[in-house]
Amino acid sequence: DADVTQTPRNRITKTGKRIMLECSQTKGHDRMYWYRQDPGLGLRLIYYSFDVKDINKGEISDGYSVSRQAQAKFSLSLESAIPNQTALYFCATSDFPGSSQGTQYFGPGTRLLVL
Amino acid sequence: KQEVTQIPAALSVPEGENLVLNCSFTDSAIYNLQWFRQDPGKGLTSLLLIQSSQREQTSGRLNASLDKSSGRSTLYIAASQPGDSATYLCAVMGGADGLTFGKGTHLIIQP
Repeated sequence: DADVTQTPRNRITKTGKRIMLECSQTKGHDRMYWYRQDPGLGLRLIYYSFDVKDINKGEISDGYSVSRQAQAKFSLSLESAIPNQTALYFCATSDFPGSSQGTQYFGPGTRLLVL
Repeated sequence: KQEVTQIPAALSVPEGENLVLNCSFTDSAIYNLQWFRQDPGKGLTSLLLIQSSQREQTSGRLNASLDKSSGRSTLYIAASQPGDSATYLCAVMGGADGLTFGKGTHLIIQP
């Protein structure tokens, strides 16, 4: 079984709708991240969390919110989806970055299309 | 603000060649640097992690080097194979937050 899973894998929604993307991990990591990938722009950080009570905005958090329901679960919500939020969304987890176990592990991604 | 640049943006070489992908970053205060592979429409697979105190890491035919003072890393691929065709991404962990990514090098290995 995959260490980092994301649901759904593909989603089509309409402008103005609220949607939630979910991420679960079995690696036992405290740190979890949400990124989006756009052609020509690369991957950019949306939100990150160091534990259930510690949530932080990343580079491009406007229009998004997150919830850390448990150590293993981190959800990303689009409160009112707009077409420029069409992208590939990735969840990732890691141990402390200064350690030899600082590798970030990525989920398979969610492809989102906002019409 | 950390910026990561990867050169070249695309590369096509015959099978069997050794090749080097380049990555540069603007702020040398980093925890680590990672190289990833991404296949079309797929997720990211971590290839190598280099801690800031390390100079290089090796895994099979892959060797990554890090020169933190000059803000550079290279990924060396030996004896390239068609299965190595993918986009290779370089990313740095500059602070306590997430990774800053380059835009990648799209690699094609011709059979």
